[in-house]
Amino acid sequence: AQSVTQLGSHVSVSEGALVLLRCNYSSSVPPYLFWYVQYPNQGLQLLLKYTSAATLVKGINGFEAEFKKSETSFHLTKPSAHMSDAAEYFCAVSRRRGKLIFGQGTELSVKP
Amino acid sequence: NAGVTQTPKFRVLKTGQSMTLLCAQDMNHEYMYWYRQDPGMGLRLIHYSVGEGTTAKGEVPDGYNVSRLKKQNFLLGLESAAPSQTSVYFCASSQPGGDQPQHFGDGTRLSIL
Repeated sequence: AQSVTQLGSHVSVSEGALVLLRCNYSSSVPPYLFWYVQYPNQGLQLLLKYTSAATLVKGINGFEAEFKKSETSFHLTKPSAHMSDAAEYFCAVSRRRGKLIFGQGTELSVKP
Repeated sequence: NAGVTQTPKFRVLKTGQSMTLLCAQDMNHEYMYWYRQDPGMGLRLIHYSVGEGTTAKGEVPDGYNVSRLKKQNFLLGLESAAPSQTSVYFCASSQPGGDQPQHFGDGTRLSIL
């Protein structure tokens, strides 16, 4: 069975600091992996996705993620945090018929 | 450019009442999904549809029913609401394929008293 684990339900960084949000997955087949962002009182928006074309995936707003098969990880990074990055972030793995299995979510706070 | 539209945005029900949540998408997507979001649990799939006239159960289907009579609409029904169904409900749609991203509505906040 596929599953997703996000380490840390809450991450706090200072503005300008590196953002690192961790995601580990389990899958018996090569996965499709996604990162979504949710701003308060809004739905989820796609940040980036991995579909086996390249292990380093670049997304919107300066975020990127690296697929590491040996570590079964798909961590999300951004070199320099901005106040507008404060939101909740979800990692997800795709199953048959596009069904998504989500991690528990990580709330990112950015301190001035 | 509406995307995925959910109505209503907020609703308060009493235990035992029924209601229907509406989802409409204007992107001609084949697949549609209903999720519920609860604190610390991410999003969990309730029901989904891979085309007009088809529906299937997700992870947490009990207490919910769905219908997809038209391609652009996906309805979620609660026949007899229970406090455990207090949640934020999200509808999403996508093209076929596991590599296709899902497009989400802004959610419906539902409280069951």
